[in-house]
Amino acid sequence: QKEVEQDPGPLSVPEGAIVSLNCTYSNSAFQYFMWYRQYSRKGPELLMYTYSSGNKEDGRFTAQVDKSSKYISLFIRDSQPSDSATYLCAMKGDSWGKLQFGAGTQVVVTP
Amino acid sequence: DAMVIQNPRYQVTQFGKPVTLSCSQTLNHNVMYWYQQKSSQAPKLLFHYYDKDFNNEADTPDNFQSRRPNTSFCFLDIRSPGLGDAAMYLCATSRGGEEETQYFGPGTRLLVL
Repeated sequence: QKEVEQDPGPLSVPEGAIVSLNCTYSNSAFQYFMWYRQYSRKGPELLMYTYSSGNKEDGRFTAQVDKSSKYISLFIRDSQPSDSATYLCAMKGDSWGKLQFGAGTQVVVTP
Repeated sequence: DAMVIQNPRYQVTQFGKPVTLSCSQTLNHNVMYWYQQKSSQAPKLLFHYYDKDFNNEADTPDNFQSRRPNTSFCFLDIRSPGLGDAAMYLCATSRGGEEETQYFGPGTRLLVL
């Protein structure tokens, strides 16, 4: 079993809809959680960074962490075609630990 | 703008012919990482440098080597590329402190013929 599981998609939504992405993990020691956006043939770009449980909002993006369920989510409101990309979750246990990535979910926002 | 730069963006090499990929950063970060990412897969950490200290992942093949001559530059050497080494190679950096946020370069796509 992988340490981080993420549905590969593709997830297709119409423009303006809410995109809901999630990852599950098995290591209860994880406490730093990140979401990266990766456009085709480009490097990952950090979108959201959360420590421990709770919610964090940044513009149209909201990240949620539920450590009791070992589940993290990313919501994108008012989705745009420019949001079409692969979204990778990543996490680690302490400030010096290796990042564990999910395989990424491909999102397609159609005009 | 401060950034992570990778050269070349695309590299074609022949089976068994050594190749070197380059990464530079203007962020003045202590840590530099090399990842391998194959299609629809998670990035796989190959190794990282914390300043001059080299840290190899246990499952990184001996075929992959790295050099960090100074803070700004880091190189990935593939001594004898095989067809299975065709992938996107990502360089990332971080400060290495409590806020372990990694910043990625655009990647180098390697094709092995």
